[in-house]
This record gives sequence, structure tokens and C-alpha cells, in this order.
Amino acid sequence: IAGITQAPTSQILAAGRRMTLRCTQDMRHNAMYWYRQDLGLGLRLIHYSNTAGTTGKGEVPDGYSVSRANTDDFPLTLASAVPSQTSVYFCASSDSGDFTTDTQYFGPGTRLTVL
Amino acid sequence: GQNIDQPTEMTATEGAIVQINCTYQTSGFNGLFWYQQHAGEAPTFLSYNVLDGLEEKGRFSSFLSRSKGYSYLLLKELQMKDSASYLCAAMDSNYQLIWGAGTKLIIKP
Repeated sequence: IAGITQAPTSQILAAGRRMTLRCTQDMRHNAMYWYRQDLGLGLRLIHYSNTAGTTGKGEVPDGYSVSRANTDDFPLTLASAVPSQTSVYFCASSDSGDFTTDTQYFGPGTRLTVL
Repeated sequence: GQNIDQPTEMTATEGAIVQINCTYQTSGFNGLFWYQQHAGEAPTFLSYNVLDGLEEKGRFSSFLSRSKGYSYLLLKELQMKDSASYLCAAMDSNYQLIWGAGTKLIIKP
């Protein structure tokens, strides 16, 4: 089934630990995005990639890093997790890259709790 | 700054019509998106408006007024499965989406 998958579904993590959230899409979309969603706030963009090999910073990039080695995968790494990174993380993708109004399609999300 | 405002919660009756409003302020504008998000699930795309006017898609319609920085989502013939959060997002001049916090719609029988 075409779409976006994320792993893990949920995770409880001790503060200070390193964690990588995985995201894979099979739609051959050029652009991919990582958002966090917190209660009472809108989705906030962490990092994005307009095409394989390039990445950019979103609204809240501090404490997170990404890589885009190929079209399909866009992992998000928390180098040293802190409790304020407790959130639901969504990966999304869209067909085109730069300067596009293409619809973004979302993965099922990862619920992360940092203690 | 950039800002999206939409009501936090609305309640409506099954079979009725409900209008969810959204106002936006962005640096530049490249369109307005509406997404539906059921509890514990991913947002799913509903509509996109970039020109003024009403776009109808089955039971759902979306309206945009660029001069007023205003949009609404109209849901007709409400069904229990329409109970969800509805997210408004405006695309700015950098083609990045600015998201509202969402409107939780509660449908009562």
C-alpha cells in the first residue's frame, strides 16, 4: 500500500538519550517534512527536504537533525533528548520540491515521551 | 508575525450544517489548506483554495477571501464520523505552511 510509514509508533525515552525517528515513503515524492504537534498549538515544522541530498531548517529546528540520503527515507534524530521534546511527531511528503503548493501527505505519527 | 486563528471547539448536531472559520496573517500568501484529523491519527487533506470564492467537494465546501484574510470550511449533512479536529493552514511566501491549532468538532446525535 502506497504511503508514508513511521517508526516507532510510540517511545518512552530517558532524558539525555539519543533517538532516531524513522520515516519512509514509497510515493517517490521529492519533498519531505518533519513536524511536531503539541496540545493547543498548531503543527510546527522542524526540518524539511525539498529533494534528496538537501535539507533545511523549519520553525523549531534546535535539538533536532535530519538527513536525506535518498528519495524514500528522512530520519529525524534527537541527539540528546530533553523533556520539552515530548510530543507527537509527524512526517509528511509532497510531490514537488521547491516553491510548490502541492498537498502534503502525512504519516501516522510517533508519540514520544521524554522523562 | 504570522498567525492563524480558529475556534478551539465547536459542537453540532448530526444531520445539521456547521461552518468552521479561520483567519490568517502571513508574510505573502500561496493558498489556504484544510485538513481533517481524527483523534490519534494523521491529518488528511480536505481542500485547497488560492482564489477567492467557494470550492465545493461533496458534503464539504471551503471558502476564501484573500482581501479579508479569511476562510471557512462548511460541512453539510453532518455524520458522527465527522467528529474530528479540523486544521487550517496558510502557505506563506516561502511556500511553508503556517498551521492553526485546530478546531475540535463534536457531533451529537
